[in-house]
Amino acid sequence: GQNIDQPTEMTATEGAIVQINCTYQTSGFNGLFWYQQHAGEAPTFLSYNVLDGLEEKGRFSSFLSRSKGYSYLLLKELQMKDSASYLCAVRVLNDYKLSFGAGTTVTVRA
Amino acid sequence: DGGITQSPKYLFRKEGQNVTLSCEQNLNHDAMYWYRQDPGQGLRLIYYSQIVNDFQKGDIAEGYSVSREKKESFPLTVTSAQKNPTAFYLCASSIRPGLESDEQFFGPGTRLTVL
Repeated sequence: GQNIDQPTEMTATEGAIVQINCTYQTSGFNGLFWYQQHAGEAPTFLSYNVLDGLEEKGRFSSFLSRSKGYSYLLLKELQMKDSASYLCAVRVLNDYKLSFGAGTTVTVRA
Repeated sequence: DGGITQSPKYLFRKEGQNVTLSCEQNLNHDAMYWYRQDPGQGLRLIYYSQIVNDFQKGDIAEGYSVSREKKESFPLTVTSAQKNPTAFYLCASSIRPGLESDEQFFGPGTRLTVL
């Protein structure tokens, strides 16, 4: 399997910015995904990175550095509904399954 | 309305009984997956299937079995051989393995409790 590390928990204030880091060790990297999961619900797709750089989608951005085995998900203008778990997942070459990290639980406070 | 359905949402079984979890998709996706999620842990892959009548073991296949007789359906059986079956089970599908951004779409999950 792949070694994927994320912080367990993060807390931030409504309107602020939070950055969730994900590091991975893998051979034959072929893409990194971020998913959002509210408690007791299904994960939903947020972003995909396969090349180095920043992908922006509204309030959410995702960054990838392949040489460093590092990605982050940036959540801006935090809202209470952003309180959820954020899962980092990696795919390798010649394999289509994903390996997931344990997830980072973000709590947004008023 | 396309999507993935899993039923039931909550399931209770006695220890030693086999139980089958349903997963159906009408997205015309080729690939389907089963994951298990335990509190404080990420998703762990149980089985996955790229095409009809073909499937592969994931990281934690022991005590589970699957079938893929139809493209739309990928049922998971939790057998009595599975030592700790109580968990949240998620089914997912993706359009076509090998596509660059082949994101997975998830069903709502089934929470299985073995008493």
